[in-house]
Amino acid sequence: ETGVTQSPTHLIKTRGQQVTLRCSSQSGHNTVSWYQQALGQGPQFIFQYYREEENGRGNFPPRFSGLQFPNYSSELNVNALELDDSALYLCASSLKDSAETQYFGPGTRLLVL
Amino acid sequence: GQNIDQPTEMTATEGAIVQINCTYQTSGFNGLFWYQQHAGEAPTFLSYNVLDGLEEKGRFSSFLSRSKGYSYLLLKELQMKDSASYLCAVRVRDSNYQLIWGAGTKLIIKP
Repeated sequence: ETGVTQSPTHLIKTRGQQVTLRCSSQSGHNTVSWYQQALGQGPQFIFQYYREEENGRGNFPPRFSGLQFPNYSSELNVNALELDDSALYLCASSLKDSAETQYFGPGTRLLVL
Repeated sequence: GQNIDQPTEMTATEGAIVQINCTYQTSGFNGLFWYQQHAGEAPTFLSYNVLDGLEEKGRFSSFLSRSKGYSYLLLKELQMKDSASYLCAVRVRDSNYQLIWGAGTKLIIKP
């Protein structure tokens, strides 16, 4: 148990819909990173939030957006869902320090039909 | 570009030793992580190397050579529960300390 929680655990949507995924970071952690992991692949970095500001972004289109709240919890929003968005979405919390390890939540498995 | 390579799949026998290799080509290296991921679950942290050499933690050890862009994870006294994917990830200073991930090595343990 890392203390990082995500909701929902599973979600089914149809193409074109919008989805919001949620993450609560480990106590004391001020940084949240979001990843997309397709089956059989390593995680792909979507973006990171530190103190409510986006602090780096991977190669994902603008329809992937996020928020971080004052309590450091975070949301990932995906608009205009595509079939290829079906994946495990992971959030990881850490302290914004170069030596700090990221700890992952259990993930949200999204299926887009 | 940034690139991390690991074998796709390995098979080993219960009680034996296995070494999973990882090679990387990245800019601004700032540490290498190994994570274990069971099917359908989130990655869990195993080890972290930032200096050359061997880090030992129980049955698991991790080695790093920065000059060679090479790391390995050594698992001893293999147990059936060690069947999982093992992910190598490099933290890159030039990209705001983001993690670049390999595709993972699926380790199958046989009795």
